Amino acid sequence: DTGVSQDPRHKITKRGQNVTFRCDPISEHNRLYWYRQTLGQGPEFLTYFQNEAQLEKSRLLSDRFSAERPKGSFSTLEIQRTEQGDSAMYLCASSSSLGGAREPYEQYFGPGTRLTVT
Amino acid sequence: KQEVTQIPAALSVPEGENLVLNCSFTDSAIYNLQWFRQDPGKGLTSLLLIQSSQREQTSGRLNASLDKSSGRSTLYIAASQPGDSATYLCAVRFSQAGTALIFGKGTTLSVSS
Repeated sequence: DTGVSQDPRHKITKRGQNVTFRCDPISEHNRLYWYRQTLGQGPEFLTYFQNEAQLEKSRLLSDRFSAERPKGSFSTLEIQRTEQGDSAMYLCASSSSLGGAREPYEQYFGPGTRLTVT
Repeated sequence: KQEVTQIPAALSVPEGENLVLNCSFTDSAIYNLQWFRQDPGKGLTSLLLIQSSQREQTSGRLNASLDKSSGRSTLYIAASQPGDSATYLCAVRFSQAGTALIFGKGTTLSVSS
């Protein structure tokens, strides 16, 4: 169990550019979540996958945001035409809903990707 | 609207003191509640998870309690140490169907030596 990993850890981009982040969940976890956290706030839910299916999306996830989990393993979050308001920490988490999990649905978070839009 | 509130926003204590962090939530029909620790600029570390059927959970110097009827949870930290300095976040999953965790804004703890 190597934990949830995210890449890159930091990204600086100019307004209007597209960016893509990657998340690798804990290997046996079938659920994957994306959250966004701005300074001084708690994380806010963006979207959730069970296996490869995207089952829930927050209204925070505008048309410029898209997330995929093509083979039910890693996930990518893309932001198109970035705006300064997109500057935040993007956090990925995973959990297991399968039988035998020590604490079903306990979410484990990665280190995050900090995005700065200039 | 389902909301999670944490008070105080910041807390400073001397080393060795026992302390309590508070979390309140608006809907008593919760599925579970998690306490997390976040160091500056870092991700979240899960500390304790309490299922809706449980009253408390303990891990080392940490004890979390849950009172659904009053919509409250507390995180008790015994014999605080400078290494406990961090932001502590409370997060609630309000239903089995909904998967999102709803977070409070956190309590930033500073323990001085």
